[in-house]
Amino acid sequence: GAGVSQSPSNKVTEKGKDVELRCDPISGHTALYWYRQSLGQGLEFLIYFQGNSAPDKSGLPSDRFSAERTGGSVSTLTIQRTQQEDSAVYLCASSYANYGYTFGSGTRLTVV
Amino acid sequence: GESVGLHLPTLSVQEGDNSIINCAYSNSASDYFIWYKQESGKGPQFIIDIRSNMDKRQGQRVTVLLNKTVKHLSLQIAATQPGDSAVYFCAENRAAGNKLTFGGGTRVLVKP
Repeated sequence: GAGVSQSPSNKVTEKGKDVELRCDPISGHTALYWYRQSLGQGLEFLIYFQGNSAPDKSGLPSDRFSAERTGGSVSTLTIQRTQQEDSAVYLCASSYANYGYTFGSGTRLTVV
Repeated sequence: GESVGLHLPTLSVQEGDNSIINCAYSNSASDYFIWYKQESGKGPQFIIDIRSNMDKRQGQRVTVLLNKTVKHLSLQIAATQPGDSAVYFCAENRAAGNKLTFGGGTRVLVKP
């Protein structure tokens, strides 16, 4: 597609439930990133995929968070047993090498 | 820890005036810097970037200045318009990895 697509755009879930957030990167972009943005805050790095290399998971806040990237394209971020502090906007970005970092519009997650 | 930060959280500017947004970074190994604009409910939008082998780069109504001696980055917006009202983030990228580290953001409010 022309841009990075994320779905759903909004998600409300009950505390303790699992959620899956999806990201479709720009076609041909080899790198994919997940960031989290809490209300009024900056962007917090979560995880980074580059080609077939092992992902950089250094930003994942706990073992409840995991992400996959299938076929070098679509990525899914999974949060298990959601907590209220997980409420945030989850942003996905993709890039080609070190260029063209492009963000999606994000998924706003609300845990009630 | 290593971080990218901003001096001013909120900047009020009269329409037509020039805006200057500042950013300090702490990692001298960073070799690539990006400014993003984020409007409410949207993902960050690329504005302009600069590599560490440059000290100035100009775009349409925007100029980025890089001072590696004092590890300082700035974004200048000429003839600020109401559509420039947004939160602006600086981000740095290090050669050893492609993940971007973001500053906390500066909100720019353009007064008519």
